[in-house]
Amino acid sequence: AQTVTQSQPEMSVQEAETVTLSCTYDTSESDYYLFWYKQPPSRQMILVIRQEAYKQQNATENRFSVNFQKAAKSFSLKISDSQLGDAAMYFCAYRSMNYGGSQGNLIFGKGTKLSVKP
Amino acid sequence: NAGVMQNPRHLVRRRGQEARLRCSPMKGHSHVYWYRQLPEEGLKFMVYLQKENIIDESGMPKERFSAEFPKEGPSILRIQQVVRGDSAAYFCASSPPTKNVLTFGAGSRLTVL
Repeated sequence: AQTVTQSQPEMSVQEAETVTLSCTYDTSESDYYLFWYKQPPSRQMILVIRQEAYKQQNATENRFSVNFQKAAKSFSLKISDSQLGDAAMYFCAYRSMNYGGSQGNLIFGKGTKLSVKP
Repeated sequence: NAGVMQNPRHLVRRRGQEARLRCSPMKGHSHVYWYRQLPEEGLKFMVYLQKENIIDESGMPKERFSAEFPKEGPSILRIQQVVRGDSAAYFCASSPPTKNVLTFGAGSRLTVL
């Protein structure tokens, strides 16, 4: 069974600085998706960024980028030029590409609470 | 496009009562997923449905919980005879047939007194 581990329960960053959130996962599959979701106090789950495992190039979305190390099963999120609105819980998630019965089943880590200091 | 709509946003029930949570997927999305989030935890998969079919219910508790996604109307997550341990946020997500990306609703917070 796949697992997702986020080893940092809480992180803090100064406004305008850069912060990296860690995520590791365990799987025997070769094809899968990885995601970072943001959950602000409103509790809405917002997709931040997505990475397909077969793509070597790291995904980037504006100030958000990932460092995907497939061999190490690591998928960290880098937030550049941090803003107050980035304060939230961040969840790393794994999803198989295996088109069996569990298609769509996202496996989440426990989350990292990010605080942004003005 | 209104996004994934969940209601109620907050629901309070006493032990032994029934809870019904509703989810209307995004327009064009035919796949619905339910997740549960306990305090200080990530989301845990419960069930995956297409119209009139349960595809995967491996995350559903064996008793008291059921889900449906009828041909017409929203998907319903039903919890019978609720207990305090059912208190959680319940999230619905939907995806198009390609299933590449799930879009989440804002969640329904159930409190059992």
